[in-house]
Amino acid sequence: SQKIEQNSEALNIQEGKTATLTCNYTNYSPAYLQWYRQDPGRGPVFLLLIRENEKEKRKERLKVTFDTTLKQSLFHITASQPADSATYLCALVKTSGNTPLVFGKGTRLSVIA
Amino acid sequence: KAGVTQTPRYLIKTRGQQVTLSCSPISGHRSVSWYQQTPGQGLQFLFEYFSETQRNKGNFPGRFSGRQFSNSRSEMNVSTLELGDSALYLCASSLGSGNTIYFGEGSWLTVV
Repeated sequence: SQKIEQNSEALNIQEGKTATLTCNYTNYSPAYLQWYRQDPGRGPVFLLLIRENEKEKRKERLKVTFDTTLKQSLFHITASQPADSATYLCALVKTSGNTPLVFGKGTRLSVIA
Repeated sequence: KAGVTQTPRYLIKTRGQQVTLSCSPISGHRSVSWYQQTPGQGLQFLFEYFSETQRNKGNFPGRFSGRQFSNSRSEMNVSTLELGDSALYLCASSLGSGNTIYFGEGSWLTVV
């Protein structure tokens, strides 16, 4: 069956370090992959989208990579800050449409000052 | 520009009852999707509507239904509520394929 997994439920890192979150998928050929941020009690907020023919995407302190051979995406936050503490979700889109049909369960990131 | 608006924000229902949740998308957005979020299962896709037509449907029982109106506003309905239906129900809107999706703050449903 199709599965999308985020490497850990929770990740704690020191302020200023780079946080790396992993998203792995099986039995799936996504057209593209998205990353979202979700704060407690709020809806997810779109961060970045990367297409299957793109290796890397950047936005300010955020970087996403997409390896279709490894079936994996890495999400990096450089120079992390306590304000980056949140749950980060990855989602796969299997067609050219942009509506995510499959979400990972998320990784709860805590940046410690 | 107003974001995606969901009502009600919080509600408590009794087993066996039915509930209707409402979503007003961002002005100009024609695509509306619904998701259920629980601690155990994470975010799960319910259905997507575009121009009043259901375009995609997730793996949920027939008790879960939805519709979209000509002004793109959408409602979802859950009949014969079960305890396991307690969750955060999220609505998301977008202009359509290839565009950014914007989520609402969700409706917290508790079934007792």
